[in-house]
Amino acid sequence: NAGVTQTPKFQVLKTGQSMTLQCAQDMNHNSMYWYRQDPGMGLRLIYYSASEGTTDKGEVPNGYNVSRLNKREFSLRLESAAPSQTSVYFCASSRGDRDWYGYTFGSGTRLTVV
Amino acid sequence: DQQVKQNSPSLSVQEGRISILNCDYTNSMFDYFLWYKKYPAEGPTFLISISSIKDKNEDGRFTVFLNKSAKHLSLHIVPSQPGDSAVYFCAATSAGGTSYGKLTFGQGTILTVHP
Repeated sequence: NAGVTQTPKFQVLKTGQSMTLQCAQDMNHNSMYWYRQDPGMGLRLIYYSASEGTTDKGEVPNGYNVSRLNKREFSLRLESAAPSQTSVYFCASSRGDRDWYGYTFGSGTRLTVV
Repeated sequence: DQQVKQNSPSLSVQEGRISILNCDYTNSMFDYFLWYKKYPAEGPTFLISISSIKDKNEDGRFTVFLNKSAKHLSLHIVPSQPGDSAVYFCAATSAGGTSYGKLTFGQGTILTVHP
């Protein structure tokens, strides 16, 4: 029962480097989300995909891009990493219907930008 | 503008006693609320939820209360156990409009239950 799988679990980047965080879910969920968690700030939405083929900005999208590759996969790309992007990143998925609003989260990617 | 606020960064209680975690929201469009629990090095996991048509929802040791007029909800854990020690996030969404499907989270409260 994999649920939501994120890779990598840890990453250290130098300022200006790029990388892609991968996320895949096996629950046939329609909607997928990327959040970042910072001390004292809670979980803030970066980007989301309500359904396959659509993506939209969340609360803190600057410096990020996303791709909904197919129904299962939703990747987050940092084109030119900055120290302010040091954070723990969580991918989540949901059914995306009006009967249930809960998310299933992955275990997170801890990213450090030096 | 923080639409969902958890004003207590931490809470410490004795095993067997009640834990009360609080959450306030400002967006009157929110009509569905959830609590998530997070252990270190893991993703948040769903705990309990409540719709705005109710003022209380129970699930075992966990009860969520909603006061719509005060825009306030609380999570009660009775009795508290050491395994409940975790970060608790309050989240909210609305069934319609642009917030549909998107959860807005509070800052989290670190609960420590002492044996």
